[in-house]
Amino acid sequence: EVQLLESGGGLAQPGGSLRLSCAASGFTFSNNAMYWVRQAPGKGLEWVSSIGSDGNTFYTDSVKGRFTISRDNSKSTLFLQMSSLRPDDTAVYYCAKDAGYSAIDYWGQGTLVTVSS
Amino acid sequence: QSVLTQPPSVSAAPGQKVTISCSGSSSNIGNNYVSWYQQLPGTAPKLLIYDNDKRPSGIPDRFSGSKSGTSATLGITGLQTGDEADYYCGTWDSSLSAGVFGGGTKLTVL
Repeated sequence: EVQLLESGGGLAQPGGSLRLSCAASGFTFSNNAMYWVRQAPGKGLEWVSSIGSDGNTFYTDSVKGRFTISRDNSKSTLFLQMSSLRPDDTAVYYCAKDAGYSAIDYWGQGTLVTVSS
Repeated sequence: QSVLTQPPSVSAAPGQKVTISCSGSSSNIGNNYVSWYQQLPGTAPKLLIYDNDKRPSGIPDRFSGSKSGTSATLGITGLQTGDEADYYCGTWDSSLSAGVFGGGTKLTVL
């Protein structure tokens, strides 16, 4: 059974940093691209970042230069290092697994990030 | 403002059929596969359709997907009250080099 378990969310001050982790199990982690998708309170889904099985990374414009996605295949873990946080980064952040051609077949339960002073 | 455009809401009676549209451009829907997701209140999204028109195992054939040019459509037949949810389309945008989602459509089963 595929499981994605996020951690690391919480309260951060504007300009601060947080590191999200996603522990994956139930599939060959190293063979799959992975994603971070976020959802602000009461809003829609927003694609944040992806990392391929080859390590190639992509970001939405609003987080470029502030967020860094990475993966540790030896530990089947996905990360999102977030810095220079802004109030509009407040959202539930989902870790997600690629199903091919940018579709997402498994989602974690999400971790809430709140950016506020 | 989302790159992909969906109607904010649709509604229909139980047992009826509804379609949800997703409009994009040649840089996204026009040249990439589309997927559709269902998000029930308070839960993570769930994949309904991938590669424009394919259903994952366990998704009933009441759900269907299609694509034509720069638009895609999700169809749901035999509506049930349990289908009340938010629905999102998604794809890759080759110009942005990023994934994109529609703004979401809230389905109400009257």
